[in-house]
Parts: sequence; structure tokens; C-alpha cells
Amino acid sequence: KAGVTQTPRYLIKTRGQQVTLSCSPISGHRSVSWYQQTPGQGLQFLFEYFSETQRNKGNFPGRFSGRQFSNSRSEMNVSTLELGDSALYLCASSLASPSGNTIYFGEGSWLTVV
Amino acid sequence: GQQLNQSPQSMFIQEGEDVSMNCTSSSIFNTWLWYKQDPGEGPVLLIALYKAGELTSNGRLTAQFGITRKDSFLNISASIPSDVGIYFCAGPLSGGYQKVTFGIGTKLQVIP
Repeated sequence: KAGVTQTPRYLIKTRGQQVTLSCSPISGHRSVSWYQQTPGQGLQFLFEYFSETQRNKGNFPGRFSGRQFSNSRSEMNVSTLELGDSALYLCASSLASPSGNTIYFGEGSWLTVV
Repeated sequence: GQQLNQSPQSMFIQEGEDVSMNCTSSSIFNTWLWYKQDPGEGPVLLIALYKAGELTSNGRLTAQFGITRKDSFLNISASIPSDVGIYFCAGPLSGGYQKVTFGIGTKLQVIP
């Protein structure tokens, strides 16, 4: 079955703009989480959604937001972009079974802010 | 907060050699996950461990969930050039199914 799909793969924005990234989880997966990856900070947890509800949130400013739709697809939005927001944004999905926490990643969306 | 200490941060090895990397934490984990990331791609799950003491293999890869539940190691036997990449350990933070924290990564380079 298809893996986690993220769009767009690459994008360039200017400071002050906003951006929306999209994620389609593996079919049947109901939990979606987002991560920011930068060379200096590694993989940082942004937030996690399950059944259209945000269950967990990382330590990011309010400019970072997300949502999940009834079909489990998710979007994240970053407003008032800053140069430091340049990163690889990764989406991951999981069955959200209580028996484990295995998550599967998409290929990511490369965001460059200029 | 919970942190994962992963070592080594980078290593150069000769093709055919075995590799070992590990992660430790000051907190107890119920799950340990090991991922590999190629340049420009998302992390790919290699091995998932769910029980203390569990030893699991995936081809040339072997990982173990430490008895104390505060550490895990990953071994790669007979390395080949395609093993090049960054390897991450990961474990879930408390309070949510997917609030997972990652180690800083081990960058592996294999010399043919």
C-alpha cells in the first residue's frame, strides 16, 4: 500500500509569507504527527493529531499550526515566515494502536525561506 | 525534559566491518525505534522494540532494548556502501502515542 505522501516536496518562500504543507497518511492510519528537521536541532516534534484533534504539541511558537481532516489527511501552516523556519518538514503516520508507537515517515517537504 | 543521547555522532568504517551505535536516556522508554535517513529523504523505520531485553534482527541489522529500559543499541554486520546514511534512535515521550523524541543521529560513512 502507498506510504505517507507529502506535498509539495520543495518550496521557496520569502520572509513574512505563510505556507501550508499537506500530508496524506498511510491508508488506515488515523494518527498524524509533524516534525521539523534542521542540521543544528535534529528532529523536533511539532504536533500530533488523532481523529481531527490535536493530542500533543511541541515547543514551537503559535505561528506553527495544523489540522486534521475527517479522512485523516493533515495540513500544517506556518505564518509570518522567518529565515530560521527553513527546514525539512516531515509528516509521519501511525495506526495509533496502544500496543506500540511505530510511526512511518513521508519523504518530507523542503522549505527554504529567503 | 526527556532526552536521548546517541553515540557516536559520526563514524567512518571500511566496507565489511561491523558497526555498533547506541542510545541512552535518563528516562524509561516503553518503545525504542531505529530509523535510517538517506540524504533528502524521510527516515525509514528499521527496527521497532517493545519489550525490555528484546533482541530483534532485520537482515544484517540487530537491535536490543536494554534491560533497564533506558538504553538501546543497533548493530550492523558486514557493512556495505548502501549502509551510508544517518541512523536515529527514537522513543515516545510520555503523554501521547506519537510524541516521539529522537537522538541526534549517527552519521555512517562506509569506505569501499
